[in-house]
Amino acid sequence: SAVISQKPSRDICQRGTSLTIQCQVDSQVTMMFWYRQQPGQSLTLIATANQGSEATYESGFVIDKFPISRPNLTFSTLTVSNMSPEDSSIYLCSVRTGDSYEQYFGPGTRLTVT
Amino acid sequence: TQLLEQSPQFLSIQEGENLTVYCNSSSVFSSLQWYRQEPGEGPVLLVTVVTGGEVKKLKRLTFQFGDARKDSSLHITAAQPGDTGLYLCADNAGNMLTFGGGTRLMVKP
Repeated sequence: SAVISQKPSRDICQRGTSLTIQCQVDSQVTMMFWYRQQPGQSLTLIATANQGSEATYESGFVIDKFPISRPNLTFSTLTVSNMSPEDSSIYLCSVRTGDSYEQYFGPGTRLTVT
Repeated sequence: TQLLEQSPQFLSIQEGENLTVYCNSSSVFSSLQWYRQEPGEGPVLLVTVVTGGEVKKLKRLTFQFGDARKDSSLHITAAQPGDTGLYLCADNAGNMLTFGGGTRLMVKP
């Protein structure tokens, strides 16, 4: 298993600003992912954070809007850039360990953009 | 693009009642997973099923995978307030999880 922490747990931000969310895992993991959960909705994969290379983004998500870093096997950041109210969501970090089917999720960062 | 539909979207029941929620896919699952998400938390994996027709039990929860591997059900017996949460089915295709829209369950004491 893996224990995942995220910072901040929540934030209220103004339109046009940027927020960087941190994800820390208690052990080295092969795969790290970022998801978005809009209010009352399910989870949508934003991107896979690749260690030492550029993230792999899903359709509808671009690097300029959601830059991602992964400097090592236990840490990643997601930045939400030039925010608008439509970016108000919960952002979740997830990891996959070894060859298991299991993915573990962090508690999420609840972002409100005013 | 795979579409996962869950029903019902919302369910409010009294403690002690039984319930079943459903997950249907537009294509065959690679492997099906069920998660539960409580407010302020990330989803937590309940079960993984891979084989068509498979049935798994986890205490009061029974998970059934359709023979054609395109549908699944989750049955809860004698629901308790602690079962309240968002139940999500997902297709785990290795590195990618595709989630259904979820069933939001509230169990009233």
